[in-house]
Amino acid sequence: SAVISQKPSRDICQRGTSLTIQCQVDSQVTMMFWYRQQPGQSLTLIATANQGSEATYESGFVIDKFPISRPNLTFSTLTVSNMSPEDSSIYLCSVLGREGGGYGYTFGSGTRLTVV
Amino acid sequence: DQQVKQNSPSLSVQEGRISILNCDYTNSMFDYFLWYKKYPAEGPTFLISISSIKDKNEDGRFTVFLNKSAKHLSLHIVPSQPGDSAVYFCAASVQGGSEKLVFGKGTKLTVNP
Repeated sequence: SAVISQKPSRDICQRGTSLTIQCQVDSQVTMMFWYRQQPGQSLTLIATANQGSEATYESGFVIDKFPISRPNLTFSTLTVSNMSPEDSSIYLCSVLGREGGGYGYTFGSGTRLTVV
Repeated sequence: DQQVKQNSPSLSVQEGRISILNCDYTNSMFDYFLWYKKYPAEGPTFLISISSIKDKNEDGRFTVFLNKSAKHLSLHIVPSQPGDSAVYFCAASVQGGSEKLVFGKGTKLTVNP
């Protein structure tokens, strides 16, 4: 399965500022996924990032708030813009691969964001 | 609306015994199901999956059972080990797993020595 390096691992940010999270994969992948896990909640898909096209956002998430870049097949960034305390979450990138004879998703180690 | 539900936020078992984690889903279009394990400060790690054409899949100590009519799946860990202590997420997908995942809220498993 793919190996994903995600950084930063954690950050504490002031409200109103922006944070860019980077995700590097050790192999070329078509789709990369960005998830958010709010405290005590499940992982929720923010958007799907395809190389060479605009990201596809899920209901409740917009490009102005979570701009995504996908410059090549091994790298993506997610920016959390104009942050508020409600954005305090763990953000994870993920790629689709093959696991155990079927599909499986590999996740990065996550970015724990605290907005103060 | 929570399409994937894990109704037990926590579970505690003794080492060597069986751990059974449960998951229910509401969307009949789901045809691929996965279990992930998550340790603190790490991303989720794929554990085991099952396609809707099967009702059981085994991998070592881990077995997943799928009951399509009840829209229910369960993960059995036998025997349970202290290293299995983690949060377990159930996830579901359509199109054979090639589409986005919908996750449950997770069950925190504690295996006591």
